[in-house]
Amino acid sequence: GQQLNQSPQSMFIQEGEDVSMNCTSSSIFNTWLWYKQEPGEGPVLLIALYKAGELTSNGRLTAQFGITRKDSFLNISASIPSDVGIYFCAGRPNGNTPLVFGKGTRLSVIA
Amino acid sequence: GAVVSQHPSWVICKSGTSVKIECRSLDFQATTMFWYRQFPKQSLMLMATSNEGSKATYEQGVEKDKFLINHASLTLSTLTVTSAHPEDSSFYICSARVLTGHQPQHFGDGTRLSIL
Repeated sequence: GQQLNQSPQSMFIQEGEDVSMNCTSSSIFNTWLWYKQEPGEGPVLLIALYKAGELTSNGRLTAQFGITRKDSFLNISASIPSDVGIYFCAGRPNGNTPLVFGKGTRLSVIA
Repeated sequence: GAVVSQHPSWVICKSGTSVKIECRSLDFQATTMFWYRQFPKQSLMLMATSNEGSKATYEQGVEKDKFLINHASLTLSTLTVTSAHPEDSSFYICSARVLTGHQPQHFGDGTRLSIL
């Protein structure tokens, strides 16, 4: 089945640094979603993207839907300790298909 | 915003027991609900997709007789793990969305199932 390549797998950063992670696909997606998951909880939606080239912000988070429709990135600016968690990208090839998930990026923030 | 409620959050039971997990969309009507399974340090693995009033569509390798899914209303889907065994221990997460328009997919808080 379809797969998303998410990188990096893990990151250790200092508080205050900016973070960037991305996902790529071998096929075209028409929806990209970014989620954050903390231990023992379900994923929480951060940003949803529905249009190629779309750039959307949510506080310190910014995500973009790649022009080719085969990639997306998520940036976190001025990281803080509560940013710790696993970030998942997810994409949908068309309106009725289930989401395909990346393998996640585990973010650790050192105070 | 949209909320998906999942219950129970944690279950411990003996091998051979059947366990039912409920997933409710609290402030929207979910035409489609999804059930995922997640092992430690891994991504979410889709088990099945259920549409209200119809049979669930199971992913390859997921036993439909083992994991019974019922989506009886637009706000409730249930997953029953029948005759659970230790290898069924996992984190089960439900998700819901409305199919019309650009609607994101929201997730419940998950159910940690431990079979002794």
